Amino acid sequence: AQSVTQPDARVTVSEGASLQLRCKYSYSATPYLFWYVQYPRQGLQLLLKYYSGDPVVQGVNSFEAEFSKSNSSFHLQKASVHWSDSAVYFCALSINTGGLSGKLTFGEGTQVTVIS
Amino acid sequence: EAAVTQSPRSKVAVTGGKVTLSCHQTNNHDYMYWYRQDTGHGLRLIHYSYVADSTEKGDIPDGYKASRPSQENFSLILELASLSQTAVYFCASKPGLGHSQNTLYFGAGTRLSVL
Repeated sequence: AQSVTQPDARVTVSEGASLQLRCKYSYSATPYLFWYVQYPRQGLQLLLKYYSGDPVVQGVNSFEAEFSKSNSSFHLQKASVHWSDSAVYFCALSINTGGLSGKLTFGEGTQVTVIS
Repeated sequence: EAAVTQSPRSKVAVTGGKVTLSCHQTNNHDYMYWYRQDTGHGLRLIHYSYVADSTEKGDIPDGYKASRPSQENFSLILELASLSQTAVYFCASKPGLGHSQNTLYFGAGTRLSVL
């Protein structure tokens, strides 16, 4: 079965500093990969997604992610964070097996706190 | 922009009582999902549906039922609520299974406390 692991439960970063959130997945082929963000008391919103092509994917709000097949990873990055980036970030995958589920499998999430 | 509306936004229920969580989407999506979020955990799939009048079990269906009476509406039903079902519940929808249809659109969530 497929799985997603986010090894860092919490990350604290200073405003203006760079941010990297790690995501490792387990699946025999290349899945659809996603990063979602959850702001306090809100639903999840899509930051970016990847399926094929250029391994560096640009998303909203200057986030980008890099896919690595050899490392089974899909790390999220931002060059300079703002206080408004404080949120929980989820990595997720979906597989295309021809089945009817189309479900997303989520990692545990990483709580990001931006401090001044 | 896809719109997914959940009601209620929060609810307190008593152990053994019946709870119904509602979800309504206005974007003509075929697929709808109910996920559960527990503190410190990711989201886990409870039930999903890809067509009206049909529902499917997800990864953690025990203790939950689902109902999809129309394309727009998808309900989650707890017949006998238990303490362990205290969580935040998210409804989500997406158009289909193709490459360009794979983005999930989430509601704002329902915070359920079972006492």
